[in-house]
Amino acid sequence: DTGVSQDPRHKITKRGQNVTFRCDPISEHNRLYWYRQTLGQGPEFLTYFQNEAQLEKSRLLSDRFSAERPKGSFSTLEIQRTEQGDSAMYLCASSPPWGAPRNTEAFFGQGTRLTVV
Amino acid sequence: QQPVQSPQAVILREGEDAVINCSSSKALYSVHWYRQKHGEAPVFLMILLKGGEQKGHEKISASFNEKKQQSSLYLTASQLSYSGTYFCGTENRDDKIIFGKGTRLHILP
Repeated sequence: DTGVSQDPRHKITKRGQNVTFRCDPISEHNRLYWYRQTLGQGPEFLTYFQNEAQLEKSRLLSDRFSAERPKGSFSTLEIQRTEQGDSAMYLCASSPPWGAPRNTEAFFGQGTRLTVV
Repeated sequence: QQPVQSPQAVILREGEDAVINCSSSKALYSVHWYRQKHGEAPVFLMILLKGGEQKGHEKISASFNEKKQQSSLYLTASQLSYSGTYFCGTENRDDKIIFGKGTRLHILP
C-alpha cells in the first residue's frame, strides 16, 4: 500500500490519559499535515511539516498537543491529559514538494478516531 | 483565513446540476477540491493552480478566478454516487492547505 497510513484507526481513552497517533506519509512527499475533524465540520488545520521542520502550529492548539517528524518521514501527534473535547477524527495528509509539476494535491490517510470517555 | 463555501447544503434529484462556490480573503496559489463520504477520509477530486485554469473530468469540473480569489465546482447530471460533503482547500505559495466548512450534497433518486 503506497498511500498515507495512520495508526491506530480507533482509540478510546479515559480523560486525563496521554495518547499518541502515528502517520506514515507517501514516501516521496516532504509535506505533512495534521487536521482535526469533528462531525459536520471541515478538516481543521493543526500543524504542518516540511521535511522534519514544523513550519506552523495552529493557535487553536493548546500546549497539550505536540507533533514531531524526527527524520522527515513518519510523524507522531501526541495529546497529553486528554479532555472530552478532544474527541474527534484526527487526519493526516501528505503532499509532494511545492512546485512539483501538477502534483501538489494532498492525500489523506483514513484517520484516527479518538473518543475520550 | 478559512475559505468560505456556499451553499452549506444542497439537495438535488438525480440528473440535476449543482454549483459549489469557494472564496478566500487571501491571495491564492491553488484551490483543492475534495469529496468526503460519511465515515471516510476526504478523497481528492482536482486541483486548480494559479493561472485561471479550468479542469474537469467527466461530469465534474471546476474553475479558479485568481483575481477574485474564488473557485467553483460544477457537478452536471448528478449521480447518486456524488452524494457527500465537498470541501475546498486553499493554498498560498509554499503554505499549508486550509479547508472550508464544507457543502453537503444529497442526491435523491
